[in-house]
Amino acid sequence: DTGVSQNPRHKITKRGQNVTFRCDPISEHNRLYWYRQTLGQGPEFLTYFQNEAQLEKSRLLSDRFSAERPKGSFSTLEIQRTEQGDSAMYLCASSLRGLAGAGDYNEQFFGPGTRLTVL
Amino acid sequence: AQTVTQSQPEMSVQEAETVTLSCTYDTSESDYYLFWYKQPPSRQMILVIRQEAYKQQNATENRFSVNFQKAAKSFSLKISDSQLGDAAMYFCAYRLYNNNDMRFGAGTRLTVKP
Repeated sequence: DTGVSQNPRHKITKRGQNVTFRCDPISEHNRLYWYRQTLGQGPEFLTYFQNEAQLEKSRLLSDRFSAERPKGSFSTLEIQRTEQGDSAMYLCASSLRGLAGAGDYNEQFFGPGTRLTVL
Repeated sequence: AQTVTQSQPEMSVQEAETVTLSCTYDTSESDYYLFWYKQPPSRQMILVIRQEAYKQQNATENRFSVNFQKAAKSFSLKISDSQLGDAAMYFCAYRLYNNNDMRFGAGTRLTVKP
């Protein structure tokens, strides 16, 4: 399977615990995105990497959230001291920046998501 | 701030018929992309169709086409000859040309009746 993969697919945790999710993008893709999707809503942008550099962060990404992409390949999203409001589907997407430069289309391919439930 | 509104939480269509999903957006920018994504139950989101704001011609992908009205900030999706496999959540999304912050609407759940 050459698509975007995410692990685990489901995570149940108790309030106050730390959790970490992993995303493996499509191998040649240099851009990686994290989104959060709550029930009945569309995805909300959290953060974006180009290679290993985290270039954009949403104000939704509180200081309890940290994302890394140390070697420009897979990425991890960690949530510290989880709260019930963190319960959501966490989606990862990847894209390939083309040679067109600014304004290039770079279609985002989404993974299946990690569903987090905080009890 | 850019926002995307999908006013139809649910829509239903008979198999082989045509259905139109509505989307409006709010922006003061002129250079942007618009997208329709499909999210089947328990499956990952896939891109259905995209439109560049500078193009006046409406995008078409097989049975899927859009009606892009830039002045009205409207971007509807028409699905022709609906199939059972079209049943899914459909999300309208907006992104500026030089920005990676994609904004999604709340989605429309499409049911296809046999």
